[in-house]
Amino acid sequence: DTGVSQDPRHKITKRGQNVTFRCDPISEHNRLYWYRQTLGQGPEFLTYFQNEAQLEKSRLLSDRFSAERPKGSFSTLEIQRTEQGDSAMYLCAVDRNYGYTFGSGTRLTVV
Amino acid sequence: KNEVEQSPQNLTAQEGEFITINCSYSVGISALHWLQQHPGGGIVSLFMLSSGKKKHGRLIATINIQEKHSSLHITASHPRDSAVYICAARMDSNYQLIWGAGTKLIIKP
Repeated sequence: DTGVSQDPRHKITKRGQNVTFRCDPISEHNRLYWYRQTLGQGPEFLTYFQNEAQLEKSRLLSDRFSAERPKGSFSTLEIQRTEQGDSAMYLCAVDRNYGYTFGSGTRLTVV
Repeated sequence: KNEVEQSPQNLTAQEGEFITINCSYSVGISALHWLQQHPGGGIVSLFMLSSGKKKHGRLIATINIQEKHSSLHITASHPRDSAVYICAARMDSNYQLIWGAGTKLIIKP
């Protein structure tokens, strides 16, 4: 248990479907991040929340992507009209000044 | 030129060897992170450094702020240390991480 729970662990979806992932930190953390990692590459920043406010979005986050953190605790990442290029590991991380804690990730496969 | 550069990209060593992975950065940072990722696994944070040196078990991380350089050392390396080691610079201006490309380490028994 990393202290950050991500659900689901794996998701296989057909192209064009919508998917939603959830990130649930066990304890309170101000800052929450979403990253995407494709095979053999380092993580790419997607978006970042300070409490419930979404402060920054990468240009990688197209209009099909939306993220929320309604109460400043858990967060959701939704991808609409999935494309094969969306296949990746989606990582959530929290930060509390002394370091990052990553979730185990959600592996998305779009077929 | 990437803002965070790691070397080497790949490293294969025999069990017991002393391992050094280097990281150079060109941006203003508030901290430098070293992280570990096993194949198919999640990312584990090893160290967060803003100055000096930190040690945890057989792992040692150092940072030289003036030279914008950090190193991760593994003493008495073991096959279970085989993983990708990533350095990531935490920006001064926001809380984003700028990631190095990672070093794939293989320790042979």
